[in-house]
Amino acid sequence: NAGVTQTPKFQVLKTGQSMTLQCAQDMNHEYMSWYRQDPGMGLRLIHYSVGAGITDQGEVPNGYNVSRSTTEDFPLRLLSAAPSQTSVYFCASSPTSGDAYEQYFGPGTRLTVT
Amino acid sequence: GQQVMQIPQYQHVQEGEDFTTYCNSSTTLSNIQWYKQRPGGHPVFLIQLVKSGEVKKQKRLTFQFGEAKKNSSLHITATQTTDVGTYFCAGGGATNKLIFGTGTLLAVQP
Repeated sequence: NAGVTQTPKFQVLKTGQSMTLQCAQDMNHEYMSWYRQDPGMGLRLIHYSVGAGITDQGEVPNGYNVSRSTTEDFPLRLLSAAPSQTSVYFCASSPTSGDAYEQYFGPGTRLTVT
Repeated sequence: GQQVMQIPQYQHVQEGEDFTTYCNSSTTLSNIQWYKQRPGGHPVFLIQLVKSGEVKKQKRLTFQFGEAKKNSSLHITATQTTDVGTYFCAGGGATNKLIFGTGTLLAVQP
């Protein structure tokens, strides 16, 4: 099993550009989530999904869109990148009920917006 | 909304000294989880506490969950250089949202 995979590992965008961060898991986990990590801020929840076709907002959802068409994939879309979105992005998954089970994290995507 | 704070933000110790990080939630939690993130890596699950007043040990690491289920602590006895990293607590409120604390960065000097 590959676990949770994320692509790309690094990305540089110009302000206003759009892009999609990819996340996939091969553990048949129902729950998936996206976090961003900034110095001194810890990990902040952006969006999460409790199953295919179901998504919901986390703590900091503005500027990001998600969809969950399959159990395996949970892409994060930046519609119009801003410098404030410079961060490290982590995708995570768990078998079910996201706040009651161990989260498995991907390796992260380091995004810089200039 | 639910907020989870951790103190200290940074701790520097000599190898062999003890280390403690504290976690406080603004709301009562259904469970608390602890994660470790090595420099340049991703968070890795350490443990989950569910019961009020629960204490769990993993070798040199001791985890406690407060009686009111609003605070928790992680204590490392006799730190080693392999303990270097950022330790996060994460609170579950039975809302499907796992809210992470701000983290404590531990530096260990040999």
